[in-house]
Amino acid sequence: DAGITQSPRHKVTETGTPVTLRCHQTENHRYMYWYRQDPGHGLRLIHYSYGVKDTDKGEVSDGYSVSRSKTEDFLLTLESATSSQTSVYFCAISEPYQSPYGYTFGSGTRLTVV
Amino acid sequence: AQSVAQPEDQVNVAEGNPLTVKCTYSVSGNPYLFWYVQYPNRGLQFLLKYITGDNLVKGSYGFEAEFNKSQTSFHLKKPSALVSDSALYFCAVRVDTNAGKSTFGDGTTLTVKP
Repeated sequence: DAGITQSPRHKVTETGTPVTLRCHQTENHRYMYWYRQDPGHGLRLIHYSYGVKDTDKGEVSDGYSVSRSKTEDFLLTLESATSSQTSVYFCAISEPYQSPYGYTFGSGTRLTVV
Repeated sequence: AQSVAQPEDQVNVAEGNPLTVKCTYSVSGNPYLFWYVQYPNRGLQFLLKYITGDNLVKGSYGFEAEFNKSQTSFHLKKPSALVSDSALYFCAVRVDTNAGKSTFGDGTTLTVKP
C-alpha cells in the first residue's frame, strides 16, 4: 500500500535464529502496529508503538521485541525463531484520533520457520 | 476488554443477489467499528467505518454496514454481489481510549458464484 512498505516480503529461516522484520512509513503517522495473521485466528496484535521509543505489548508478544528509533521505522524482532512463529506478519499505521481513524496496512511478510 | 465475533467462516451467494456478512462486538465504552477486505495474497484494505452519527454507513465498492447498538452488531451488506467481491472480510473494533488498538474477528470468506 502507498505510504507503508514491509521488508522482506518472504523469508525462510531456521529454528533458533533471530529474525528482524521492517516496517517503513512515509505518512508521518504516530501509531504503528505489528499483527500476525493465522488461519482461524484473524489478526492478533503483537506490539504497537505510539511514538519514537514508545512501545507496548499486545496480546501475543511472547518471543517478540520491537524498536522504533525513528517515526518512519518500526522493527519487529523474533529473538529465537520457533515453528509456532510461522505466520504472515502485517504492519499497520494509524492516526486513531483523526479521520479516517482506521488502519493502513502494509503488504505483509510471509515468514516460514523450519 | 474488547472482542469481535464473526459467526460465519464462509458465506456463499450468487452474483446479483444481496449479501450480508455478520459481525457482533463487545467493548467497554463507545465503539469504533471497521470492516476490512483482503483479496488473495494481498494486504488488508479499509472498506468502511462507524465512528458516530448515522447508523447506516457507506463505504468503498458499494458496501454498506448498519450499526445496531442494542444488538451490538455491525453487519456488512451489499445489495447486489459481484464475483469480484469474493475475498476475506474482517470486522474490527476499538474504543477511543486505547491507542487505536483494534481487535479483529477471525474473518469470513465470501464467495460469489456466477
